Order: sequence, then C-alpha cells, then structure tokens
Amino acid sequence: AQSVAQPEDQVNVAEGNPLTVKCTYSVSGNPYLFWYVQYPNRGLQFLLKYITGDNLVKGSYGFEAEFNKSQTSFHLKKPSALVSDSALYFCAVRDIGGNNRLAFGKGNQVVVIP
Amino acid sequence: DVKVTQSSRYLVKRTGEKVFLECVQDMDHENMFWYRQDPGLGLRLIYFSYDVKMKEKGDIPEGYSVSREKKERFSLILESASTNQTSMYLCASSFTGTGFPEQFFGPGTRLTVL
Repeated sequence: AQSVAQPEDQVNVAEGNPLTVKCTYSVSGNPYLFWYVQYPNRGLQFLLKYITGDNLVKGSYGFEAEFNKSQTSFHLKKPSALVSDSALYFCAVRDIGGNNRLAFGKGNQVVVIP
Repeated sequence: DVKVTQSSRYLVKRTGEKVFLECVQDMDHENMFWYRQDPGLGLRLIYFSYDVKMKEKGDIPEGYSVSREKKERFSLILESASTNQTSMYLCASSFTGTGFPEQFFGPGTRLTVL
C-alpha cells in the first residue's frame, strides 16, 4: 500500500528561523505527493503538490517542498517562519484505487515561537 | 470561491442513535470523500464517491454507510453510534482529471458520542 511517514510529532521553531517539516514516502510506481495545512478549528487547505518535473515545488504562503527520490522524501520548507504558520501539517500520497484517493500521514504540529 | 460546507460544526449524540452528517460542495466535483481525524492517527478514509449513487469503501468503513443522491451532496451515516466513533469528521471533494487535482475540505464536524 502507498504510505507516508511524518516522523516528528511536533516541530518548534523560533519566528524568523527556517522551518522544515519532514515526510518520507513508500509507494509502488511514481509518487504523487501533497502537503496540506490545518489551522485551528479549520478544515485542511492545500499547500502544494509534486506530480512530475522539477524537484523543488513552490506553493502557497511562501512554502516549498523538495522531492528527493533517492531518499524517498518530500520535506516541506519555509525560509523564515511566522507565528501565523503555527498549525498542523499533513503530508499525503496518491493512494491505489484511483479517483483522486489520498493516503495521509499522521500530521505534524508546528509551533512558531515569537 | 470554492466551498465545501458541513451541516454541523459540533454534534453530541447518545450511544445507539442514528447520526447523519451532511456535506455539500458547490464546485460540481465528481469525487467526494469522508474522513475521520484522530490525534496521532492523521486522516483515515471512511468512504468515497466518484459519481452520483456510486460509492466505495475506504480504509475504515465499519459502522458507517454513505449516500450520494445528488452530485453536490454526500452524506455519512452512523447507523448506531458508539463511543469509539467520537471524532472529527472531514468531508472533501475534488475533480477527476489530469494532474491529480487537489481535494478541497470542509471545516469539519466534531462528533461526541456519549
């Protein structure tokens, strides 16, 4: 089965510092990878996706992610974190079964400290 | 603006009650999904639908059923609610197409079963 792993439960970072949220994947075939963010008391919002092409993908709110095939990783990054980036971040991968089905990771809580 | 709405933000029910969670999207999406979100487990797919009256089981369908009589509406039904179904329920929708279109999420329904 297709799956993603988010190894850290919580990431703490000082405001202004670089933010990295880690994700590794396990798939058969070519991976389609996604990042979503969930702000408090809200549904998930799409940030970015990798389907094919450049390994560095740029998304919303200044986020980007780097696809690394040899390390089977798709880490989310932001050069300078804001307090408003404090949220729950989910990595996801296209699942088998078609119809745009996704398999999500367990999520990472990001806390940006002022 | 893209919109997925869910009938309730918070719901409290008693064990054994029949519970209906409603989801409506205004984007003419073919695909609709129901997930439950639990801390440390991420999002798990309960059921999805790729067309009117069509449905497929996700990873955790036991204790749930769904109904899709109109394209814009996807209902999740708990036939006999149990305390282990206390959770956050998220609805999502997406197009079917090339490039694997992203899913759009509703705000969620936090269900408590007493």
